[in-house]
Amino acid sequence: ETGVTQSPTHLIKTRGQQVTLRCSSQSGHNTVSWYQQALGQGPQFIFQYYREEENGRGNFPPRFSGLQFPNYSSELNVNALELDDSALYLCASSPSGRAAKDTQYFGPGTRLTVL
Amino acid sequence: AQSVTQPDIHITVSEGASLELRCNYSYGATPYLFWYVQSPGQGLQLLLKYFSGDTLVQGIKGFEAEFKRSQSSFNLRKPSVHWSDAAEYFCAVAGANNLFFGTGTRLTVIP
Repeated sequence: ETGVTQSPTHLIKTRGQQVTLRCSSQSGHNTVSWYQQALGQGPQFIFQYYREEENGRGNFPPRFSGLQFPNYSSELNVNALELDDSALYLCASSPSGRAAKDTQYFGPGTRLTVL
Repeated sequence: AQSVTQPDIHITVSEGASLELRCNYSYGATPYLFWYVQSPGQGLQLLLKYFSGDTLVQGIKGFEAEFKRSQSSFNLRKPSVHWSDAAEYFCAVAGANNLFFGTGTRLTVIP
């Protein structure tokens, strides 16, 4: 069983640019969630996708968007980057849409720095 | 609304000493509670979880946690800490389809 992988590991962008982060879920996991972890903070929920449909969203603006693909990969897109978007972005997969009880398996994260 | 408080930002213990990390939650119904550990450069690894039943939950790496409804707490314990336990520890409560995390407790282990 392969784990959750994310790419790239690190990324540096400038304010106003757009970025795409990628995640590969564990095989068979239909749910992927994205979290933002600012320095010194716990992860904050951005949104979740279940079978390629958005299945819940946290308190993040629409410039944060996502996609989930049938091959268990997914993307997080952020437009019009702001300095406060600098953070570790974590992807987590779980086997079903009942995320409250499912164990979420986290990837190692992508460290985004916005200058 | 769900929330988690971890009152201790940083804890230092000697190797071999016992450990208790505090977690308080806010949730209206019976909560689903989790403890995760994050090592530098790593993602979050699940240590243990509580859904219902026995209030003392055993996890991996010798960790355990006790759910106390009367105190809205879910404290993590380990009887004897190893140097490899140095990491950031996060308590979380499940929402409808996501986890609400505390701000974490950083554990330093001194020889």
